[in-house]
Parts: sequence; structure tokens; C-alpha cells
Amino acid sequence: DAMVIQNPRYQVTQFGKPVTLSCSQTLNHNVMYWYQQKSSQAPKLLFHYYDKDFNNEADTPDNFQSRRPNTSFCFLDIRSPGLGDAAMYLCATSSSQSGLAYNEQFFGPGTRLTVL
Amino acid sequence: KNEVEQSPQNLTAQEGEFITINCSYSVGISALHWLQQHPGGGIVSLFMLSSGKKKHGRLIATINIQEKHSSLHITASHPRDSAVYICAVTQGAQKLVFGQGTRLTINP
Repeated sequence: DAMVIQNPRYQVTQFGKPVTLSCSQTLNHNVMYWYQQKSSQAPKLLFHYYDKDFNNEADTPDNFQSRRPNTSFCFLDIRSPGLGDAAMYLCATSSSQSGLAYNEQFFGPGTRLTVL
Repeated sequence: KNEVEQSPQNLTAQEGEFITINCSYSVGISALHWLQQHPGGGIVSLFMLSSGKKKHGRLIATINIQEKHSSLHITASHPRDSAVYICAVTQGAQKLVFGQGTRLTINP
């Protein structure tokens, strides 16, 4: 089945120790998103890729970076995790032609990040 | 005021009851989405609507563009329907704007 996969499902890191979260997709979608969701809150968009074009949200801290080496994979790098970065990180994908209205987003299962 | 408001925030019902969750929005949209999230889990897209009504199994979603309002209905509710239901709208080309979610609990 075509799907969005996130690894690991659970990640524990130490305060200030860089961490990378991974997302892959078999849907061949050209748009990939990273969201942060804290407990009992709605997901918050951090950034998205339209093909190779990176689109950062204005309020996303510099501590968060992303890489998309190819269509299938996208990584979220947290350079110096703080206690406030503990959250569920959700990857999603969608398809879009010519930058017009994007279609339905498909979400991965999420990676729950704990910062000690 | 949030751009997307859901009501109720929490809903508890007995198995078999008909469930309605409401969503109102205050911005122009290209589409409205209903999403489901189980505790500790990822998000599943239930519906994407730009007009009218859609049905999938026991789930029905409606939207009234003029009134900027959508409803999600669950018929013959079951404990496995217990989850957080999130309304989100697509503004312009790409961004999803989320409501705060409705936590639904169905008791056996």
C-alpha cells in the first residue's frame, strides 16, 4: 500500500544534542510537510517542500532545519533541542500541479520526541 | 478569535448515538478537511470538501460555503470512533489552518 512512513516512532534525545527525524513516502507526491504538535494542541506547520523548493513558515525557529534529498525522503533536523521542543512531529504529503490548489494531505504516524 | 472554530471541544456519548461535530471558519477557503487522530497516533484524512456533502460508511460531512460552516456526522457511533476530530481549511494554495479539535468519547 502506498503510504507515508516516519522513523523512528519514538525518539529520546538529550538537551542540546542534535536529532534527525525521517519521513519517506511511496505516494510519489511532490509536496512534503513537517508539522509540530504539542499535547492537546493543533498541529503547527514548520515548513514544506514544493518539489525541491523549500518554504519556511515565518515563525519557525532557526533551530529547525529540513532536507529533501529526493522525492521520496524528507528529514527534519533539530540542531539543539530544548525542553520546549518535545512534541509529536508529523510528516505529510500531497500532490499539486503548477503550485495551484494542493490536494488532500496524507499524514504519517508521527515521531514522538522526548527531550531529557 | 481563531480562524477555525470547532464545537463542542469535548463530546461524550453512548454507543449507537448519532454524533454531530461543527466547524465554523472566518476566512476564504479553497477546501475544508475533516481529520481523525487517535490517542498517540498519526492523523488520518477523512474528507476533503469544497461544496455539498460527502459520505463514507457511517461518516457524513457537509459544508455550507455561504455560511462558512461544516458538520461531521457519525451514525450508529461505536467505541472505536473515539478519537480527536479536527477540522482544517486550506487557504490559498497550500497551508492547512487547523481547528483545536473535538475530543469524542463513545462509551459502550
